[in-house]
Amino acid sequence: DVKVTQSSRYLVKRTGEKVFLECVQDMDHENMFWYRQDPGLGLRLIYFSYDVKMKEKGDIPEGYSVSREKKERFSLILESASTNQTSMYLCASSGDGALSGYTFGSGTRLTVV
Amino acid sequence: AQSVTQPDIHITVSEGASLELRCNYSYGATPYLFWYVQSPGQGLQLLLKYFSGDTLVQGIKGFEAEFKRSQSSFNLRKPSVHWSDAAEYFCAVSSRQAGTALIFGKGTTLSVSS
Repeated sequence: DVKVTQSSRYLVKRTGEKVFLECVQDMDHENMFWYRQDPGLGLRLIYFSYDVKMKEKGDIPEGYSVSREKKERFSLILESASTNQTSMYLCASSGDGALSGYTFGSGTRLTVV
Repeated sequence: AQSVTQPDIHITVSEGASLELRCNYSYGATPYLFWYVQSPGQGLQLLLKYFSGDTLVQGIKGFEAEFKRSQSSFNLRKPSVHWSDAAEYFCAVSSRQAGTALIFGKGTTLSVSS
């Protein structure tokens, strides 16, 4: 069964910490995405990547960066975590743009205290 | 800029009744259109998608959606709702251009009453 795996299901971090959220896919997909999900706001795109070492800003990139050194791994980095970054973070991948739809990971619920 | 509107934040439907969830989009051209479902504590699952051709598309779990270009809508329907359909539903759009990402609506929460 194909998968998008997010390394942590729950994380608690302190304000000011540098936080790494990891996402790995085993489908050889070119495209990978990071969204955050908040009640009443739906899913908002943070960053995406359509190739190794390539990245594009989404709608809310401020306070975040990403890294894609290998095709299967896409990391989201919170440079200095703040309480307003407390959220559910969802990673997704797709092989041919949107044509086949996205495969989502189970999410990481991050709490910044 | 492209956007997706789901006008209903929360809908309650009786088990066995029909369901329609609304979705309107704003886009320069006909986009790709999707519906996803998220059950409590679960990830997102693709219900159905529209790219071209027949404007009525069938999906999993007995869902269907109809694309209406004149109304910029892509409403999701199910003729008879089951209690297990209680979940959050997201409409999403994507450009047909490579290198773009899905844009999601804010979601509609469906509750099913017995």
